[in-house]
Amino acid sequence: DAMVIQNPRYQVTQFGKPVTLSCSQTLNHNVMYWYQQKSSQAPKLLFHYYDKDFNNEADTPDNFQSRRPNTSFCFLDIRSPGLGDAAMYLCATSSGGQGNQPQHFGDGTRLSIL
Amino acid sequence: AQSVTQLGSHVSVSEGALVLLRCNYSSSVPPYLFWYVQYPNQGLQLLLKYTTGATLVKGINGFEAEFKKSETSFHLTKPSAHMSDAAEYFCAVNPLGTYKYIFGTGTRLKVLA
Repeated sequence: DAMVIQNPRYQVTQFGKPVTLSCSQTLNHNVMYWYQQKSSQAPKLLFHYYDKDFNNEADTPDNFQSRRPNTSFCFLDIRSPGLGDAAMYLCATSSGGQGNQPQHFGDGTRLSIL
Repeated sequence: AQSVTQLGSHVSVSEGALVLLRCNYSSSVPPYLFWYVQYPNQGLQLLLKYTTGATLVKGINGFEAEFKKSETSFHLTKPSAHMSDAAEYFCAVNPLGTYKYIFGTGTRLKVLA
C-alpha cells in the first residue's frame, strides 16, 4: 500500500543535541509537510515543500530546518532542541493541485528531550 | 484569514447514541472541507471530505457530514457510537487554490459503556 512512513517512531535526545527526523512516501506526491503537535492541540504547520520549493511558516523558529533531497524523502532537523520542542512531529503529503485532495499522514515521531 | 471553529473540545456520548461533532468555517467562498480522526500515538486519518457536488458526504466507519453553506458548517455525525470511535477528531479546510490546510482545535470524543 502507498503510504507515508516516519522514522523513528520515538526519539529521545539531550537538550541542545541536534536531532533529525525522517519521512518517506510512496505516493509520489508533490507536497510534503512537517507539523508539530503538542498534547491535545491541533497540528501546527512548520513548513512545506512543493516539489523543491521550500515554504517556511513565519512563526517557525530558526532552530527548525528541513531538507527534501528527492520526491520521496523529507527530513526535519532540529539544531539545538529545547525542552519546549518535545512534541509529536507529523509528516504529511498531498498531491497539490487545487487543494481538493486530502493530506496523507504518517504515524508521527514522538520526540522527548532529556 | 480563513479559520475553523470546533465547538466543544470534549464530547461524551453513550455507546449506541448519536455522535455530533461541530465544525464551522469562516469564508464567503466555501473552501474544501475535511474531517480527520486521530487515535493515540498515531497520525491523522481521513474520515471524509467535501469538495463539490452532493452536500451530504459519507465517510469511513459509518460517519457522515453535511455541508451547509448558509450556516458555514460541516458537522460530523454518526447514528450509533461504538467504543472504538473514542479518539480526537479534527475538522480542516483548504481555501480554494492553495495547498495549505487549516485545522480546528480538535474535539476529543469519549464513548461511555
